[in-house]
Amino acid sequence: GESVGLHLPTLSVQEGDNSIINCAYSNSASDYFIWYKQESGKGPQFIIDIRSNMDKRQGQRVTVLLNKTVKHLSLQIAATQPGDSAVYFCAEKYSSASKIIFGSGTRLSIRP
Amino acid sequence: DADVTQTPRNRITKTGKRIMLECSQTKGHDRMYWYRQDPGLGLRLIYYSFDVKDINKGEISDGYSVSRQAQAKFSLSLESAIPNQTALYFCATSDLADHQETQYFGPGTRLLVL
Repeated sequence: GESVGLHLPTLSVQEGDNSIINCAYSNSASDYFIWYKQESGKGPQFIIDIRSNMDKRQGQRVTVLLNKTVKHLSLQIAATQPGDSAVYFCAEKYSSASKIIFGSGTRLSIRP
Repeated sequence: DADVTQTPRNRITKTGKRIMLECSQTKGHDRMYWYRQDPGLGLRLIYYSFDVKDINKGEISDGYSVSRQAQAKFSLSLESAIPNQTALYFCATSDLADHQETQYFGPGTRLLVL
């Protein structure tokens, strides 16, 4: 069935390095993608989104890349900081559907 | 996000009890959602509502019911709680604009069913 998933359940990076969190999706009809960050004890928080007519979108220290050919989505965090420690979820929305489908999440931990 | 509040934040109940989780929002959004999150897993949709009195089942609606009597409030009920409903429950709101839909989540309610 169609699903949104993640290649790596956990990711450990050195403070100051760049982090890359990957996500695969299987429905080629999905045309809107979102990344959420969930810190311990809190609800998910919107980070950045991208529509399928774009390949790249940049925010503050974050960049989302979309490769529709291989149905792959990634979130890049520049100069990772301790405050970036969290679980990151990708999510997709189908063009004809009304619900957002969430992936299972990747935990990002920062080494000092 | 302080614009979306959930009560209670924590709840312990016994098997068979009826409980209600409340969600309120001040964002003025039409769409509201209830999700549950289990350890190590993503979010699973229980119910959602696109407007007052509009109710739609999500992927795991069995054992739950909801009520949307006002735009700002969306309540989730467990008619007869069972232990496998122990989870973290999130309410979310959104406003659809040009097909883009950013959801804003509440802080969550941690429920333990004994």
